[in-house]
Amino acid sequence: GDSVTQMEGPVTLSEEAFLTINCTYTATGYPSLFWYVQYPGEGLQLLLKATKADDKGSNKGFEATYRKETTSFHLEKGSVQVSDSAVYFCALSSDQGGKLIFGQGTELSVKP
Amino acid sequence: DTGVSQNPRHKITKRGQNVTFRCDPISEHNRLYWYRQTLGQGPEFLTYFQNEAQLEKSRLLSDRFSAERPKGSFSTLEIQRTEQGDSAMYLCASSPDRPSTDTQYFGPGTRLTVL
Repeated sequence: GDSVTQMEGPVTLSEEAFLTINCTYTATGYPSLFWYVQYPGEGLQLLLKATKADDKGSNKGFEATYRKETTSFHLEKGSVQVSDSAVYFCALSSDQGGKLIFGQGTELSVKP
Repeated sequence: DTGVSQNPRHKITKRGQNVTFRCDPISEHNRLYWYRQTLGQGPEFLTYFQNEAQLEKSRLLSDRFSAERPKGSFSTLEIQRTEQGDSAMYLCASSPDRPSTDTQYFGPGTRLTVL
């Protein structure tokens, strides 16, 4: 069945460092891909998405490109801030029903 | 638009008791989803509704679990004869019925602890 694999955490970075969180997927058909973020004590929020190959999703300085050839959707940010500390989830949706299949999450901690 | 709301936010119960959670989606969102999240894991799909019709149920949803959305607005998730393994965060999400239906908006969740 469809699945998402994320880079294991926790990831600890200093402020202004470059961030990459790896995400690869297995799916039949042509899924839509998402990054959700969960800040401490809050619910899941959509960070960005891409619905077809080569699309780039971006938001709040974060970017991810849908790479069909490598079945990947890696999350990047050029300069992280302390406020980016959160758990990041990669997810896909591949059927008409729209249910999301999530990776296990990657905890990011940014130190000043 | 007040977002997706869930009640209660926390529920502690004893093994064998029944519990019911409520989800109020964003108004006019036709699709409503339930997920379960355990500590250190990503959410797992349980079931979803389009309007009042329950269109898909995961194999995770044993016969002790039942979900309803009687008028196509709010939804309830009931767990009968709770077990300790049911302890988790139960998340609700909704999405509009438009071509970009794949964007889901999540509520804050109901954390269930079964003693």
